[in-house]
Amino acid sequence: NAGVTQTPKFQVLKTGQSMTLQCAQDMNHNSMYWYRQDPGMGLRLIYYSASEGTTDKGEVPNGYNVSRLNKREFSLRLESAAPSQTSVYFCASSEGRGGTGARNTEAFFGQGTRLTVV
Amino acid sequence: AQKVTQAQTEISVVEKEDVTLDCVYETRDTTYYLFWYKQPPSGELVFLIRRNSFDEQNEISGRYSWNFQKSTSSFNFTITASQVVDSAVYFCALSEAFLAAGNKLTFGGGTRVLVKP
Repeated sequence: NAGVTQTPKFQVLKTGQSMTLQCAQDMNHNSMYWYRQDPGMGLRLIYYSASEGTTDKGEVPNGYNVSRLNKREFSLRLESAAPSQTSVYFCASSEGRGGTGARNTEAFFGQGTRLTVV
Repeated sequence: AQKVTQAQTEISVVEKEDVTLDCVYETRDTTYYLFWYKQPPSGELVFLIRRNSFDEQNEISGRYSWNFQKSTSSFNFTITASQVVDSAVYFCALSEAFLAAGNKLTFGGGTRVLVKP
C-alpha cells in the first residue's frame, strides 16, 4: 500500500503565482486533512474534509482553497502565493470514526511538500 | 479551544540515557484522543501511539512508554535506554472524538531529541 501520496515533493514559486498540491490516499479513509509545518510551531490545520463532499476551515485557512475531488483525493490550492506561505505542507487521512470504542483514528501522513515562495 | 503544550523545545542526551518528553493539553471535550508522532530527520511523520481519554492505563512498547494522567491533563512519553536512531522531533497531538469533526489534530510545538553516541 502506498498510503498517502503527495505531489510535488518540492516547489519554488514566485510571489503571485498559483499552484495546486495534490494528495491521494488508498486506505479508503473518510477524512482528509492539510497541515502546514513552520519551525517551532508544530503542525497547524489549514483545511479538512471530514467526509467526501464536505470541506471545512481549520486554524489557518487564509490564502488557500481545497477540493475533495472524490474519496481518495484532496487537493490544496494557493491562488496567489505569498512569502508567508513558505512552509512544509502535509496531507493526512484518517478513518474518521469517533466515540467510545472507535478504532484506527490515527492519521496517516504523506511525505510532505516543501514549498518556497520568493 | 484545544491546546497542546510541549514546554521542552530541545533535549540532548547521551546514548543509553532515559529521556522523558512532557505534554500538557487543554480541552473542553469529555472524550478525546491523544497521540504521539515522531518526525525523523528525513521529515516524514510516524505514528507512535493513540490513547483514548476514557482509558488511563499506561502503555509500554519496547523502549517506549507513555504515562497518561487525566487529573493533570498530561500525556508524557519516555524513551528508555535511548539510541542514536531516536534522534528526531516528537509531537504530541490531541483530537476530539466527535464523528463529524473528522478527528482533526491539534499539535504541540514539538520537542527535538538529540541522542549523542
